[in-house]
Amino acid sequence: GAVVSQHPSRVICKSGTSVKIECRSLDFQATTMFWYRQFPKQSLMLMATSNEGSKATYEQGVEKDKFLINHASLTLSTLTVTSAHPEDSSFYICSALGQGYEAFFGQGTRLTVV
Amino acid sequence: GEDVEQSLFLSVREGDSSVINCTYTDSSSTYLYWYKQEPGAGLQLLTYIFSNMDMKQDQRLTVLLNKKDKHLSLRIADTQTGDSAIYFCAESIPGRGYQKVTFGTGTKLQVIP
Repeated sequence: GAVVSQHPSRVICKSGTSVKIECRSLDFQATTMFWYRQFPKQSLMLMATSNEGSKATYEQGVEKDKFLINHASLTLSTLTVTSAHPEDSSFYICSALGQGYEAFFGQGTRLTVV
Repeated sequence: GEDVEQSLFLSVREGDSSVINCTYTDSSSTYLYWYKQEPGAGLQLLTYIFSNMDMKQDQRLTVLLNKKDKHLSLRIADTQTGDSAIYFCAESIPGRGYQKVTFGTGTKLQVIP
């Protein structure tokens, strides 16, 4: 199946700093990528939908100035958590839509803000 | 709006069949998916089904879709301890020029040796 690479897999940062997470589709072009956040023992919450070459569409309650999304090419979307705080600590997962509308996921990024 | 629900927990004995159920509310779903998440890991796509199909079989996995009742199920035959994980169903819904994927709450499958 198609491969989506997410990097880094784990990151620890200090409160107030920014963290960038990359999501790459390795063997297919993805015009649409999604960013999810997963709290412990909970389902995935869709944060935003990222379309190549246009502004991301954020879900209600997600701060667009805090979670900056850039989808600069058909194989790369980035999520930047700006001025991170401990409550931003979570598991962030990206997914990319393939040609047949299959959604393939990255392995996730465990963010810990100290 | 979209809402996808699953039972939270299922326990089966090794060798038995497991059936994980999912209900959804948006009738405009185009694809429905089953994902597996092992502890501390990302999601693995297990299988998916077109919304105009009733059934799809893939080795030990059988997906049944009842579009009238908006009910999706995943049957795992001969369940093994390695199948212990959280299983998420998800639906893909047409949005403005893109498909939006929404997840269910996840079902934790425990396989007892």
